[in-house]
Amino acid sequence: AQKVTQAQTEISVVEKEDVTLDCVYETRDTTYYLFWYKQPPSGELVFLIRRNSFDEQNEISGRYSWNFQKSTSSFNFTITASQVVDSAVYFCALSEANFGNEKLTFGTGTRLTIIP
Amino acid sequence: DSGVTQTPKHLITATGQRVTLRCSPRSGDLSVYWYQQSLDQGLQFLIQYYNGEERAKGNILERFSAQQFPDLHSELNLSSLELGDSALYFCASSLNPDRGLAGDIQETQYFGPGTRLLVL
Repeated sequence: AQKVTQAQTEISVVEKEDVTLDCVYETRDTTYYLFWYKQPPSGELVFLIRRNSFDEQNEISGRYSWNFQKSTSSFNFTITASQVVDSAVYFCALSEANFGNEKLTFGTGTRLTIIP
Repeated sequence: DSGVTQTPKHLITATGQRVTLRCSPRSGDLSVYWYQQSLDQGLQFLIQYYNGEERAKGNILERFSAQQFPDLHSELNLSSLELGDSALYFCASSLNPDRGLAGDIQETQYFGPGTRLLVL
């Protein structure tokens, strides 16, 4: 069975600080996909990134970066120079690459508050 | 804006009632997924449809059912509602192309704004 753990329930940082959100996953598959979604106070789920299990390269997109390490089954997300607009709940999710069953298994989320 | 639309945005009803939630996927997307977000259970997968056919089932109660129509929109029917069914219901869609053509077998799921259901 697949499982995603986000141990940090809530994090608060002062604006402009860097912050890292942790994600640890469990799966028996060798091929799988990892995702991060953002849920701002308005409630929608916004896609941030998708990474497949064969691509361990770190990715950077503006102030966002992701560190994927298969050895530790982790897919951590770092926000650099945080801004108030980054305040949201962030979900890490896992999908096993079974054609016909692409359900996402979500972690419990990390509520990030950026203090102005 | 993800391109996925859900109606209604809010729904308030009473226990024992039945409601229908509607989802229109992004243009061209063949797969529709339903998820439930509640305080105690978090975000949970309910069911997936692909091009009109049920593809995968998750933790969906027998009181709940769904279908996907020829125009690819989907409806989630919730019946004999209980207080515990109060939640945010999300629909997501993805293209889900043929595996052989795509190379990459997992498409990103884009979520609609959700329907917030309150059962009183």
